[in-house]
Amino acid sequence: DQQVKQNSPSLSVQEGRISILNCDYTNSMFDYFLWYKKYPAEGPTFLISISSIKDKNEDGRFTVFLNKSAKHLSLHIVPSQPGDSAVYFCAASSNFGNEKLTFGTGTRLTIIP
Amino acid sequence: SAVISQKPSRDICQRGTSLTIQCQVDSQVTMMFWYRQQPGQSLTLIATANQGSEATYESGFVIDKFPISRPNLTFSTLTVSNMSPEDSSIYLCSVEKGGDTQYFGPGTRLTVL
Repeated sequence: DQQVKQNSPSLSVQEGRISILNCDYTNSMFDYFLWYKKYPAEGPTFLISISSIKDKNEDGRFTVFLNKSAKHLSLHIVPSQPGDSAVYFCAASSNFGNEKLTFGTGTRLTIIP
Repeated sequence: SAVISQKPSRDICQRGTSLTIQCQVDSQVTMMFWYRQQPGQSLTLIATANQGSEATYESGFVIDKFPISRPNLTFSTLTVSNMSPEDSSIYLCSVEKGGDTQYFGPGTRLTVL
């Protein structure tokens, strides 16, 4: 049972444009959401997070939006840069779940120069 | 954040043998986690390792196959026992810092022949 889903396995975006990565979840107990970026042969790097008490969090070029009623979150990257090409994972956790993270399957983002 | 190192970075092992992976953190942390990423898959939590207590294993993972040690607040080991080709994966440790955010090590790429 995949509780966190990233339905787009890949995405290509022109450099300078906005990249939008999407994530859906099914477990209503999730209350904290994170995005990680992963390059080949490296561990995931934390990008940005959002608590369920918020609907938006911004950090530089990265903004995460949370729609609790739709159980949907998205990561916006603007402007997109070639160094953003990587696999992006969303993850979710619950205070009742002993802080364990449940990961989505990842979206491979390619920025086209 | 946290600086996390793992040893070895990669290994090729024979079926039936065991490999111990080390995870070192640059600061004391309460919770450490071990994940597995099988080829083309997302990250799956194997177990949570707290210092001074037995590791807590997720469904589908057992201590006999993945024994974990946590001798102090900066170090943990994961052993993959009696390996088979299905154990070929990237194994990652992570730590929790600054609330609910987990930071990951670079991973250990294991190939079992």
